[in-house]
Amino acid sequence: GDSVTQMEGPVTLSEEAFLTINCTYTATGYPSLFWYVQYPGEGLQLLLKATKADDKGSNKGFEATYRKETTSFHLEKGSVQVSDSAVYFCALSEGTSGSRLTFGEGTQLTVNP
Amino acid sequence: EAGVAQSPRYKIIEKRQSVAFWCNPISGHATLYWYQQILGQGPKLLIQFQNNGVVDDSQLPKDRFSAERLKGVDSTLKIQPAKLEDSAVYLCATGGGHYEQYFGPGTRLTVT
Repeated sequence: GDSVTQMEGPVTLSEEAFLTINCTYTATGYPSLFWYVQYPGEGLQLLLKATKADDKGSNKGFEATYRKETTSFHLEKGSVQVSDSAVYFCALSEGTSGSRLTFGEGTQLTVNP
Repeated sequence: EAGVAQSPRYKIIEKRQSVAFWCNPISGHATLYWYQQILGQGPKLLIQFQNNGVVDDSQLPKDRFSAERLKGVDSTLKIQPAKLEDSAVYLCATGGGHYEQYFGPGTRLTVT
C-alpha cells in the first residue's frame, strides 16, 4: 500500500537558519503530494502541493519539488522564523482530486530566537 | 467562510463506554473525511463520505466504530465500546472538489 516516510524529528533551529525536512513516498501510481502544517493549538492546514512530477509547490517561503525518480518531496525554507515553529506533515493522495490522504508521521520544528 | 466545526473538543471516558463526535463541514463541501491521529503519528483515514454515501471505509474498525452523514451535511462518528487504544485525536476534514482538504480542530479522546 501507499506510505510516506519523513525524517525523524524533532528539529531545532536558530532563527534565519536553512530548513530541510526530508520526505519520501511509496505509491502504486502517480500520486499528488502535499505538505500540511499544524501550528500549536490549531488544525492542520495545507502549506503547499504538487500534482505531477517536477512540479514545485511554494507558499510562505517554503518550497518542495516533486521528484519522481527519487520518490521524494523534501520541504525547504531558506530562512526560518520563530513563527514557523509547528509540526509538518508530508502526505500523498492517489487517484483523483478528493481521494484520501496518506500522511507521514510528522516532524516537530522548533525555531529559537 | 466558516471553517470545519467539531465538538466536543475534549472527551474523557472509561473503557467499554460509548462516545460520539460531531462534525459540521464547510458549506457546499460534498466530501467529508474522518481521520484518527494517535499521539506521535500522522492522521489515518477512518472513513470518507461523498455527500451522504460512503466512498472508503476500509480502515474503519466496524466492530466498534460507526459513522453517518445525514442529508450530506453534518456527520457523527461513534465508538462503542471504547478501548484504551482508541485514545487519539479525531479529525474531521472536508473537501470541495479540489485537492485541498480543510481540517477541523479535532476532538481529543482519552480512554481510561
